[in-house]
Amino acid sequence: DSGVTQTPKHLITATGQRVTLRCSPRSGDLSVYWYQQSLDQGLQFLIHYYNGEERAKGNILERFSAQQFPDLHSELNLSSLELGDSALYFCASSVLAGGVEQFFGPGTRLTVL
Amino acid sequence: AQSVTQLDSQVPVFEEAPVELRCNYSSSVSVYLFWYVQYPNQGLQLLLKYLSGSTLVKGINGFEAEFNKSQTSFHLRKPSVHISDTAEYFCAVLRGDFGNEKLTFGTGTRLTIIP
Repeated sequence: DSGVTQTPKHLITATGQRVTLRCSPRSGDLSVYWYQQSLDQGLQFLIHYYNGEERAKGNILERFSAQQFPDLHSELNLSSLELGDSALYFCASSVLAGGVEQFFGPGTRLTVL
Repeated sequence: AQSVTQLDSQVPVFEEAPVELRCNYSSSVSVYLFWYVQYPNQGLQLLLKYLSGSTLVKGINGFEAEFNKSQTSFHLRKPSVHISDTAEYFCAVLRGDFGNEKLTFGTGTRLTIIP
């Protein structure tokens, strides 16, 4: 158990819908990272927040957005969902912005029908 | 930009045999190197990491890896595999400088242990 929690574990929805994925980092960790794992693209970095501020963006679609709240949990919002958004979404956390050791949550499996 | 190449997408190995999973990386700056393991239907677990110092690093579950700067490689090895090592293994690099504290992953190697 890494100490990072993600909810829900599974999410099934339809095209065009909007969903919110939630991540709680390990106690004391200030950085939260979001990654997407799909058959087509492999594991890709989406976005990084540090202590509430966006730190870096990767291959994140404009339909996707994220935020980190004062209690340090983070949410990833995916809207206007398409079939290709079906993937495993991981959250990771680290103590510092440097993120040398990132601890991964169990992931949320999103299926878009 | 940095990139990671895992040449072998699948590696079948007999139980108790040695295994090597290959990883090469490309980066114009110094990077940190990692191996993660993903068991079926689970998240990613850190096996080992190279930050600096000794080029031979030891990780959990009997795995080790050697950093070779001249060959830009970070191959993962285990002298004797067990059925429980069946999983997908990902090599990753991280630059660590401002705005680049993200992991760049290889495409993964699926290790299958044959009884």
